[in-house]
Amino acid sequence: AQSVTQLDSHVSVSEGTPVLLRCNYSSSYSPSLFWYVQHPNKGLQLLLKYTSAATLVKGINGFEAEFKKSETSFHLTKPSAHMSDAAEYFCVVSDFVNNTPLVFGKGTRLSVIA
Amino acid sequence: NAGVTQTPKFQVLKTGQSMTLQCAQDMNHEYMSWYRQDPGMGLRLIHYSVGAGITDQGEVPNGYNVSRSTTEDFPLRLLSAAPSQTSVYFCASSYTPSRGTGELFFGEGSRLTVL
Repeated sequence: AQSVTQLDSHVSVSEGTPVLLRCNYSSSYSPSLFWYVQHPNKGLQLLLKYTSAATLVKGINGFEAEFKKSETSFHLTKPSAHMSDAAEYFCVVSDFVNNTPLVFGKGTRLSVIA
Repeated sequence: NAGVTQTPKFQVLKTGQSMTLQCAQDMNHEYMSWYRQDPGMGLRLIHYSVGAGITDQGEVPNGYNVSRSTTEDFPLRLLSAAPSQTSVYFCASSYTPSRGTGELFFGEGSRLTVL
């Protein structure tokens, strides 16, 4: 069975400093991995995805994530936080070989301090 | 371009009442799903469908019913509302793996309060 663990429920950074949101996954097969972002009172939007191509994945708004199979991790980073990055972030794992539904992490709330 | 459309956006129910949350997508996606979002719990899968006429249960299906008579529509029915069903509900759709990477497209959400 698949699972995903977001290691921090809340991360707070100052504007202009780096962002690190941590995600570990468990999957029996070669997974697809996603990061979604949810701004307040909005739906979820895809930030980036890993689907067995390059292990360093670039997404929208300057975010990127690195797939590390040996560490079963898919951490999300950004070099410099912006106030507009304040949102909830979800790490998601999928095993599409077996056509099973996506599994969501519990989310990390990112606060950006001016 | 509509994408995934959910209605209503807000609803207040009394315990025991029934209602249907509507979801429609115009992207010809085979896969459709319903999630509920509660504070600190992330998104939990209620029901999903991989095509017209095919539905399956997710992590928290009790108290909910679904059907998939067309590719476009995937309504979620609350049979007898309970306060524990107070939540924000999201509908999402995607292509199946053979046609894409499974990226989910989400509706804007429906906020349901059960008194």
